[in-house]
Amino acid sequence: EIVMTQSPATLSVSPGERATLSCRAGQTVSINLAWYQQKPGQAPRLLIYGASTRATGIPARFSGTGSGTDFTLTISSLQSDDFAVYYCQHYKNWPPTFGQGTRLEIK
Amino acid sequence: EVQLVESGGGLVQPGGSLRLSCAASGFTFSSYEMNWVRQAPGKGLEWVSYIGPSGGPVFYADAVKGRFTISRDNAKNSLYLQMNSLRVEDTAVYYCVSRPPNTSWNVPQPLDYWGQGTLVAVSS
Repeated sequence: EIVMTQSPATLSVSPGERATLSCRAGQTVSINLAWYQQKPGQAPRLLIYGASTRATGIPARFSGTGSGTDFTLTISSLQSDDFAVYYCQHYKNWPPTFGQGTRLEIK
Repeated sequence: EVQLVESGGGLVQPGGSLRLSCAASGFTFSSYEMNWVRQAPGKGLEWVSYIGPSGGPVFYADAVKGRFTISRDNAKNSLYLQMNSLRVEDTAVYYCVSRPPNTSWNVPQPLDYWGQGTLVAVSS
């Protein structure tokens, strides 16, 4: 199975600033990469798929880049609602695997 | 509006069994591939199982292969997970999750809609 590694484990950012989260795949996944947001006590929500395509209803301040093995989720101008845990996941083949998550916290 | 509602979780002793259900509404369930994904307390996400729109193919994570069985009843718009020989490490919130419709298991697709989950606790 493909191992997904996210960094950093925790990111402290002030509201209004930019956050940059990283995800690395153990082997190429092309652009078969998704990002999910999870708030406490809630189910994950799909943010980005195809490495860079925003899911329905996701604000433009969320953007994804990358292909192959290295990916980035950028959240420009952080809002209070954005502080959560973010997971990357590959879906190139079975089994799909997730990174361990990045906790985005208020600085 | 897509809705996925899980049920059937609870406390069970090691070695016991439990059957989870997921009631789907707001979409044509029979056109969707479905999955179970779990999350141990305070931990990350782990894909558990997949089932095709008509009941096949089915795939399982190595950690549950031979113990869990995924199934569906399209007439009842329902997804199931039969869990046998449960272990302490199976303790988790189990989510019912869809993939986009009208594709195939060999077409890469993300997990799009998630239910709210049901908690399974395995403890003596």
